[in-house]
Order: sequence, then C-alpha cells, then structure tokens
Amino acid sequence: NAGVMQNPRHLVRRRGQEARLRCSPMKGHSHVYWYRQLPEEGLKFMVYLQKENIIDESGMPKERFSAEFPKEGPSILRIQQVVRGDSAAYFCASSLRGEQFFGPGTRLTVL
Amino acid sequence: AQSVSQHNHHVILSEAASLELGCNYSYGGTVNLFWYVQYPGQHLQLLLKYFSGDPLVKGIKGFEAEFIKSKFSFNLRKPSVQWSDTAEYFCAGGDSGNTGKLIFGQGTTLQVKP
Repeated sequence: NAGVMQNPRHLVRRRGQEARLRCSPMKGHSHVYWYRQLPEEGLKFMVYLQKENIIDESGMPKERFSAEFPKEGPSILRIQQVVRGDSAAYFCASSLRGEQFFGPGTRLTVL
Repeated sequence: AQSVSQHNHHVILSEAASLELGCNYSYGGTVNLFWYVQYPGQHLQLLLKYFSGDPLVKGIKGFEAEFIKSKFSFNLRKPSVQWSDTAEYFCAGGDSGNTGKLIFGQGTTLQVKP
C-alpha cells in the first residue's frame, strides 16, 4: 500500500510565478490536510479538505493561496504570484480514523 | 487559544543516555496527542499517540510518553538512545472534534553522538 505521495519534491520559482503542489492520499483515505513548515519553525496547519469540499481553511493566507481536492485526482495547493516569504516545506497528510499519515513534502524555493 | 510547546530546541546526548523531551499543550476541550519523528531527508513518521485510556503510551522503537493531565504535559522518553535516533521530534495536539487538524510544537532536534 503506497504511502502519501507528493510532487514535486523540490520546486524553484521566481517571484511572481505560480506554484502548484500535488498530494495523492493513501488509498482509501478521503481526508487531506496541508501544513507549511517555515525555516526553524514547526509545522503550521493550512487547510483541511475532503473530496470536493474545503472543511477548514482557517490557516490559509487570505490572498494568493488556494487548495482543492477534486473527485478524481490529487489534492492541489496553488500559490499565485509567489514571494520570497513563501519559501518553505509544504507537507500534506491523509487521514483515516484520526491518525494522519504524512507525505515527504515539497520544498519550495522562491528566487 | 490552542497551543503546543516544546521546551528543548536542540538536545545532544551520547549513546546509551536516557532521553526526555518536554511537551506542554493548551487546549479547551478533549485533546489527542502525538509524537512524530522526522529522520534526515525523510517524511514525518508517527512514533506514538494518545487518545484516551492508559496515560502511559508505548510507541515504536522503544519510545514511550506519559500524559499528565494535571501538568498539561506529554513528555517523550526513551531509556537508552542510539545514534540512529538522531532526528527532529515534533509533539502535536489534535482536537477530537470535527476537523482533527494538528497543532505542532516547534520541534526538538536530537543529536546522538556515537
């Protein structure tokens, strides 16, 4: 049973470009969480999604960030017009019965 | 506000030494507590979890943690560390309500010297 998959593992963008991060949950999991880890900090919750629904986006910045989890395909975290402060590791986790399983993360670097 | 804090940011131990990493939480209601480990270059893995019941929880790789409600603590322990335990350790709390989102502590980097 494959674990949580994230791609790309590393992403480099110039300021003003768009970043798209993908997360495929474990088989049978329909809940996805996104977290961001800034340098020297712990993980911070961003958004919680179920298939076709955003359940809790209280941790998402108000502008430029969006997330979706369509009926088919991976969950996408989209960052428009990236700035240097968006450089971080972005982790997704899928959940079954309260336990979250994490993917390897995408490390975003904004030049 | 809900929060989780870890006291030690960087810990250096020699092999065979005992380990205790502190974690305190602040939650309004029932809380589930977790310890995750992140080995260099790898993703987060669950070490152990507490939902309810016996406050002494045993996890993988010889780790255990004790939930002490009166102290709002969930410290991680291991009697004898190995070089392979070198990693970053995260304590996290999750509400047992609707969303289950996790609130993480700042993390503790453990370095074990051979």
